[in-house]
Amino acid sequence: DTGVSQNPRHKITKRGQNVTFRCDPISEHNRLYWYRQTLGQGPEFLTYFQNEAQLEKSRLLSDRFSAERPKGSFSTLEIQRTEQGDSAMYLCASSFGGLDNEQFFGPGTRLTVL
Amino acid sequence: GNSVTQMEGPVTLSEEAFLTINCTYTATGYPSLFWYVQYPGEGLQLLLKATKADDKGSNKGFEATYRKETTSFHLEKGSVQVSDSAVYFCALKSGGSYIPTFGRGTSLIVHP
Repeated sequence: DTGVSQNPRHKITKRGQNVTFRCDPISEHNRLYWYRQTLGQGPEFLTYFQNEAQLEKSRLLSDRFSAERPKGSFSTLEIQRTEQGDSAMYLCASSFGGLDNEQFFGPGTRLTVL
Repeated sequence: GNSVTQMEGPVTLSEEAFLTINCTYTATGYPSLFWYVQYPGEGLQLLLKATKADDKGSNKGFEATYRKETTSFHLEKGSVQVSDSAVYFCALKSGGSYIPTFGRGTSLIVHP
C-alpha cells in the first residue's frame, strides 16, 4: 500500500459551483478524518468516520459541506455553492487501533475558489 | 478547551546548528503530545510523540520531552541538515478523543 491518496490534487472553481474531493485511506484503516488547512495555520478538524459511520463533525462544517464513506473504505467531501472563503487545502488522514496510534495524512487537495 | 501555541517562524539556521522550536499547550486532563513534520508538497508525517509526563519522544535525531510542570513539549535537534527544512506542527490529543488539536506550525529553513 502506498499510503493515503487524495484526488484531485488541485481544483480551481468559480464561486457558486459544487466540488467533490475523494480520499482513499490506507487499506484496513477503520478511521478516516478530514481537515482544512489555510496558509499559516495548522490543520483544523472537519469530520471523522469510524468505518462507514460519521461519528463527529466540527462546527466548521457548515450545511454546504457533506462527507460520506459509504462502504467504510474511500470517502468523499462535497462542498456545495462554494464561496471564496472555502479556498484552502483539504487534508485527509486515516488510522487504526488505539487513541495514540498515528494518523497517516494524504498530500491534500488544494481548492481555489475564484 | 485545548490549544497549542508554537513559536512563530520562519526559523532560519545554518547546517549543523542547534534547533529548538518551542511548543506550549493548554488541555483538559492528561494529553498526549505529538510533533508532525510537513515537507514541501507532501502530507503531514508523525515525527515523534509522548503520552505521559516526563516521557521523551525521539526520531531521526529530533527529541522532545513532555514537561507537565511547564505545559511544554519543545522540539530539539543537535545538528540540523538542509533536508530538515520543512514545517513542524505541535499537536495534542486529550479527553479520549481521536482528534488532535494542532498548532499553527513553524517553518524551518536550513541553509548549507
